[in-house]
Amino acid sequence: DTGVSQDPRHKITKRGQNVTFRCDPISEHNRLYWYRQTLGQGPEFLTYFQNEAQLEKSRLLSDRFSAERPKGSFSTLEIQRTEQGDSAMYLCASSPLGWSGGADTQYFGPGTRLTVL
Amino acid sequence: AQRVTQPEKLLSVFKGAPVELKCNYSYSGSPELFWYVQYSRQRLQLLLRHISRESIKGFTADLNKGETSFHLKKPFAQEEDSAMYYCALSSTGANSKLTFGKGITLSVRP
Repeated sequence: DTGVSQDPRHKITKRGQNVTFRCDPISEHNRLYWYRQTLGQGPEFLTYFQNEAQLEKSRLLSDRFSAERPKGSFSTLEIQRTEQGDSAMYLCASSPLGWSGGADTQYFGPGTRLTVL
Repeated sequence: AQRVTQPEKLLSVFKGAPVELKCNYSYSGSPELFWYVQYSRQRLQLLLRHISRESIKGFTADLNKGETSFHLKKPFAQEEDSAMYYCALSSTGANSKLTFGKGITLSVRP
């Protein structure tokens, strides 16, 4: 296991098209996070899964965004009817269950860079 | 609401000079603080977290709850330290989502 992987690494699409990204977490990591990073900003939280359950979604995640994690393994993030403002780096991170009372360490993937023309 | 502020975008120093990357936070509870680093063409990776109180690659960071700060320090910078550094905050509990600052570029010149 070489870490969190994401596919594709780059995606160029036209406005109005749908896109789907995939994240494969580190094996046996039951927590999975999606973040979005735009130029000059730090990553911003989008959504979080514990196993297959999506437990929290940011207000940044509009109705055009949907994420799934079937069977608690890989996850997909779909953006429908893309807009130019969706252009960003989409990062996935995974972590094991943290020890009692502590936040878990998140391991990040390389990201998927989306460009919407 | 939780917030992380990194007031500077760029710090440029000569090799061997001391480095301090500033980070301030606001959070109503008891947060956990992290520094993440991103080297050129590499993924974001954890540098250190305050609860471990470790020194990684010569870097240290002390959580100052009175000043709500978590500055990253290194006494003698190396060229290989050149990278993007992000301070991040996490709440404890079921969802340990990270709130990141905007990041600072550290450039270490020979």
